This record gives sequence, C-alpha cells and structure tokens, in this order.
Amino acid sequence: KAGVTQTPRYLIKTRGQQVTLSCSPISGHRSVSWYQQTPGQGLQFLFEYFSETQRNKGNFPGRFSGRQFSNSRSEMNVSTLELGDSALYLCASSPITGIQETQYFGPGTRLLVL
Amino acid sequence: DAKTTQPTSMDCAEGRAANLPCNHSTISGNEYVYWYRQIHSQGPQYIIHGLKNNETNEMASLIITEDRKSSTLILPHATLRDTAVYYCIVRVRGDKIIFGKGTRLHILP
Repeated sequence: KAGVTQTPRYLIKTRGQQVTLSCSPISGHRSVSWYQQTPGQGLQFLFEYFSETQRNKGNFPGRFSGRQFSNSRSEMNVSTLELGDSALYLCASSPITGIQETQYFGPGTRLLVL
Repeated sequence: DAKTTQPTSMDCAEGRAANLPCNHSTISGNEYVYWYRQIHSQGPQYIIHGLKNNETNEMASLIITEDRKSSTLILPHATLRDTAVYYCIVRVRGDKIIFGKGTRLHILP
C-alpha cells in the first residue's frame, strides 16, 4: 500500500497570504489528523477529520481550518499567514478498526513564511 | 499537556540493546501506551503499542509494568539508523495524540 502523501513538500509564502496544504491518506483509512511541528513548541495537534466531520480540535486560532472530502483526502488552510506559522505540517491517517487506532504519518509539508 | 515523562536524551552503543523508559503514572484504565519515533526531517513513524501485556514486533519490544505506571521500549540491536527522537504517548481510542518532548536517542558507532 502506498503511504500517506502530502503536497506540496515545500512552500514559501509571505506574511498575510493564505496557504492550502493537501493530504492523501493510506487507501482505506478514514481518519486524517493534522499536526504542526516547530523547534520551540514541538509536535502540536491541529485537528482530526473522520467521515468528512471534524472530530477533535487542538488549540489553534481560527486562521487554521481544514476539511475532508468523501474520498478521505483532506486539506488544511491557513489564512493571513504570520511569521510564526513557519513550521513542518504533518498529516496522519488511521484506519479506525477495532479499539486501537494506529496513526501513520506522511513526510510533511515544510512551510516558510517570509 | 503530555501525560508522559521521558529522559531528554540517551546514548546507546551500536549493536547493544537500547532501553528507553517512560513514566505515565496518571494513566487510566482505557488508555493505551504508544511509541513513535521521528528521524530527522521525516514524519513520525509508529513503532508499537500496548495496553497492559508486553508486546513485541519486528521493530521493538514494549514492556509495561504491572501497575501500568511506566513502560520501557526496547530496541534489541540498535543500529545507527535508530538515531531519532522517540515519543511515548498515552491515549484513548478516538482521542487526539498529545506529543511530549520525547527522548533523543544517539546511537554511538
């Protein structure tokens, strides 16, 4: 099976712009989660989508949003970019089978805001 | 906040077993212990998970104490490619993953 894929892998934007990142989960996986990783804050949970509905949400401002499509692919959007949004954005998918969910991570999108 | 405590860093000689400890004294009965690792500039990689019994797979072994307040991840024969940050996580099914700072494992040649 192909792994989780994220596009683009690298992105440079300027302050005030908006950005959309894409994640394609492993085939058959219905849950997609997004994380932000920075050197100072480490890995922080953004939100999780399951069957096109947001199921969990982290403590990020409303500028960060996401959605999931019927084929389980997900996008996250950051509006009005700030310098502090420079980070590695990771997507993870999960099969939601049984009582245990193992998340499989993609390679990430590295965003640089200038 | 993360519900686990791990040492900041550890060294291990190549070829030896790497034993990574994790304290989770407030773990509740329905929380599983998960281990992930992150090699530099890559996404985290799932290693193993367990509830109360010891677990083993092709990558590692997980030893959970009887009171479930701590656990140890064992990499039986560490190689240079095992150099990474190792995260111990406790979570309930359906809940978000909260990553702590993890343990930076250095494998020494």
